[in-house]
Amino acid sequence: GDSVTQMEGPVTLSEEAFLTINCTYTATGYPSLFWYVQYPGEGLQLLLKATKADDKGSNKGFEATYRKETTSFHLEKGSVQVSDSAVYFCALIIGGGSQGNLIFGKGTKLSVKP
Amino acid sequence: EAGVVQSPRYKIIEKKQPVAFWCNPISGHNTLYWYRQNLGQGPELLIRYENEEAVDDSQLPKDRFSAERLKGVDSTLKIQPAELGDSAVYLCATRDRYTDTQYFGPGTRLTVL
Repeated sequence: GDSVTQMEGPVTLSEEAFLTINCTYTATGYPSLFWYVQYPGEGLQLLLKATKADDKGSNKGFEATYRKETTSFHLEKGSVQVSDSAVYFCALIIGGGSQGNLIFGKGTKLSVKP
Repeated sequence: EAGVVQSPRYKIIEKKQPVAFWCNPISGHNTLYWYRQNLGQGPELLIRYENEEAVDDSQLPKDRFSAERLKGVDSTLKIQPAELGDSAVYLCATRDRYTDTQYFGPGTRLTVL
């Protein structure tokens, strides 16, 4: 079945370090891909998305490129801040619109130290 | 614009007791989802509504879980009776059909003792 695999955490970085969180997927169709972020004590928020191969989603300095050939959607940020400490979830949806259901990875906890 | 509202935020009950969670969607969002998020895991879909119709409840444990969405707006998820394994965060989400994006509420953290 359709699934998402994320690198296991926790990930601990110093402020201004480069961040990569790996995400790969398995899907029978042509999914849209998402990164959601969950800050401590808050609900899930959409961080960025890409709907087709080679699309790049970006937001708040984070980027991810939809790579169909490697079935990947790795999250990157050039310089992390303490405020980026959160849990990051990679997700996919097949058959968008009201027909699709989000399938999430297990999440990767990021801690950024000053 | 107000986000997805859920209540209560926290609930502690003893096993075999009933419990209910409430969700108020973003205005105009016709598609509503209930997810369960176990500790250290990503959310998993329980049920999806399109207006007042449950269009996907294949993952809902129907022996003890029920849900309703009267008038296609607010929704309630109920567990009766609760079991220890039901301890989790229950998330409600609604979909913006123009951007095809799901927006999540803050969740209800359920602890079953």
